[in-house]
Amino acid sequence: GAVVSQHPSRVICKSGTSVKIECRSLDFQATTMFWYRQFPKQSLMLMATSNEGSKATYEQGVEKDKFLINHASLTLSTLTVTSAHPEDSSFYICSASRDDYEQYFGPGTRLTVT
Amino acid sequence: DQQVKQNSPSLSVQEGRISILNCDYTNSMFDYFLWYKKYPAEGPTFLISISSIKDKNEDGRFTVFLNKSAKHLSLHIVPSQPGDSAVYFCAATPSSSGSRLTFGEGTQLTVNP
Repeated sequence: GAVVSQHPSRVICKSGTSVKIECRSLDFQATTMFWYRQFPKQSLMLMATSNEGSKATYEQGVEKDKFLINHASLTLSTLTVTSAHPEDSSFYICSASRDDYEQYFGPGTRLTVT
Repeated sequence: DQQVKQNSPSLSVQEGRISILNCDYTNSMFDYFLWYKKYPAEGPTFLISISSIKDKNEDGRFTVFLNKSAKHLSLHIVPSQPGDSAVYFCAATPSSSGSRLTFGEGTQLTVNP
């Protein structure tokens, strides 16, 4: 149990366009979902925390108007990178949590902005 | 301010020997600690955790030790296997924050056959 999927696994887009990444908990209801980004050889940096039906809580330095998060149900959260630029190229990972401390991670999405 | 630090970016061990990965933290509010394993281009997978009321937790080949006074934890893998080669992240959370985790930078473990 506790499987989390992400779609797409990789995406290439042109500068100025928007990209949506989906995160789904397949076999459990996630009270909380988290979005991270990881640069090469660096740690996972938490971007935002979202609870179903409420606004996401963004970490300091993360632009909420650029990284739109929608947590429409207990099994789905989406991250939209708006007006993407090359510096947004990164590995984006979501995770989902039930009512305990463990987070179950998705496989990640590699975003490349050209 | 890096509240969770893994000072060794890489570690190389021989198959069959013990791997010891270290992690230090500064926030005294952290009371639950987790280790995750990550392969390239994949999400992290949970390995083992420990609550601050314990100083040791064991699961098969994996043992996590916690030294609260030193704010230090370590992950022991014995015997190490080539399939253990991956990046290992330690993470910490204070109970009051729910499941919000703070991650270390990760340590690349390479187990040589």
